[in-house]
Amino acid sequence: KQEVTQIPAALSVPEGENLVLNCSFTDSAIYNLQWFRQDPGKGLTSLLLIQSSQREQTSGRLNASLDKSSGRSTLYIAASQPGDSATYLCAALQTDSWGKLQFGAGTQVVVTP
Amino acid sequence: NAGVTQTPKFRILKIGQSMTLQCAQDMNHNYMYWYRQDPGMGLKLIYYSVGAGITDKGEVPNGYNVSRSTTEDFPLRLELAAPSQTSVYFCASSYSTGYSNQPQHFGDGTRLSIL
Repeated sequence: KQEVTQIPAALSVPEGENLVLNCSFTDSAIYNLQWFRQDPGKGLTSLLLIQSSQREQTSGRLNASLDKSSGRSTLYIAASQPGDSATYLCAALQTDSWGKLQFGAGTQVVVTP
Repeated sequence: NAGVTQTPKFRILKIGQSMTLQCAQDMNHNYMYWYRQDPGMGLKLIYYSVGAGITDKGEVPNGYNVSRSTTEDFPLRLELAAPSQTSVYFCASSYSTGYSNQPQHFGDGTRLSIL
């Protein structure tokens, strides 16, 4: 059974610093790896999706990498802003899972002005 | 664009009561999902559907039922509410084929307390 872990559970950085969020998974037979943002009291918003054949995806200040052999994905957020404060979750889609995502518990990020 | 709409946003139930959480999407997505999120935990899949008339169990289906009579709607039914079902429930949808899988789109959630 796929296990997805995100460490640390919480992170606080000053504005302007780069954020590095980690996600590890136990089963490398994944179809894709997805990163989501969750604001308090809200649903999840998709940030980036990396297909298993890709090494990274970029969108603006966000860059996500994927290393299936080591079971790791990393989300980089450049030049953090207070508006980046949220919980970030990663989720792995198995190759035979009919669209079923296995989520990590998330990393709660606070960016202080 | 409405996206994924969940109703109600909040609800308090007594033990043993029943209720239906509503979910509707207007993106013509074929896949729909129900998750629950407990404090400090990731989302766990309750049920999912790959199209109208087709549903299947996820990781934590006990105590819940679903139906999918149309592409747009995917209601979740709690028959005999128990305190362990206190949680935040999220509905999601995505477009998937055998060769591609698009990101899941989430509703804002239903916060359910059972007392």
